Amino acid sequence: AQSVSQHNHHVILSEAASLELGCNYSYGGTVNLFWYVQYPGQHLQLLLKYFSGDPLVKGIKGFEAEFIKSKFSFNLRKPSVQWSDTAEYFCAVTQGNTGFQKLVFGTGTRLLVSP
Amino acid sequence: DADVTQTPRNRITKTGKRIMLECSQTKGHDRMYWYRQDPGLGLRLIYYSFDVKDINKGEISDGYSVSRQAQAKFSLSLESAIPNQTALYFCATSDPGRRGDEQFFGPGTRLTVL
Repeated sequence: AQSVSQHNHHVILSEAASLELGCNYSYGGTVNLFWYVQYPGQHLQLLLKYFSGDPLVKGIKGFEAEFIKSKFSFNLRKPSVQWSDTAEYFCAVTQGNTGFQKLVFGTGTRLLVSP
Repeated sequence: DADVTQTPRNRITKTGKRIMLECSQTKGHDRMYWYRQDPGLGLRLIYYSFDVKDINKGEISDGYSVSRQAQAKFSLSLESAIPNQTALYFCATSDPGRRGDEQFFGPGTRLTVL
C-alpha cells in the first residue's frame, strides 16, 4: 500500500530563516502530489500540487516544492519564513492518472516560527 | 471559503451516546469523504462516497456509519461513541473530472467523548 513519510515532526525556525520540509512516498508509478497547510484552528488548505510537467512547482504564499522522481520525494521549501507561516503541513499523494485513488496523507510537520 | 460546511464545530458527548456529524457542500462535487485527524497520525479516511448510491469504507470505518442524503450532504454517525473516537473530523469533497482528485476540506468538527 502507498505510504507517505514526513520525517520532521516538529520544526522551529526564526523569522527570515529558510524552510525545507521533507516528504517521501512509496509508490513507484505515476503519482499526484499535494502539500496542504492547516493554520491553527482552521481547515486544511491546498498550498500546491504536482501532476506532471515542470518538477518545480510554485504555490501560494511563496512556497514551492520539487518533485524528484528518483528519490520518491516532494520536499516543500520557502526561502524566508514569516511568523504567519506557523502551521501544520501535510504532504499527500494519490496514485495514477485515471480512476479513483485514495488520498494518502503523511503524519504532518508542525512548524513554529518565532518572531 | 464556505463551500464545505460542517456542523457542529465542537461537540462533547458521553460514552455510549449516538451522535451525528453533518457536512454540506455547495461546490457541486460528486465525491465526498470523511476523515479523522489525530495528533501524530495525520488524516485517516473513514468513509467515502462517489454519489448518493455509492458508499465505500475507508481504512478506519469500524464504529462509524454514514449517510449520503443528497449530492450535497454527507453525514457521519457514531452509533455508540467511545473515548478513543475523540478526534478532529473533516469532511472533504472532490470533482472526479479534476486530475488527481484534488480535495477541498471543511472547517472540521472537534469531537470529545468523555
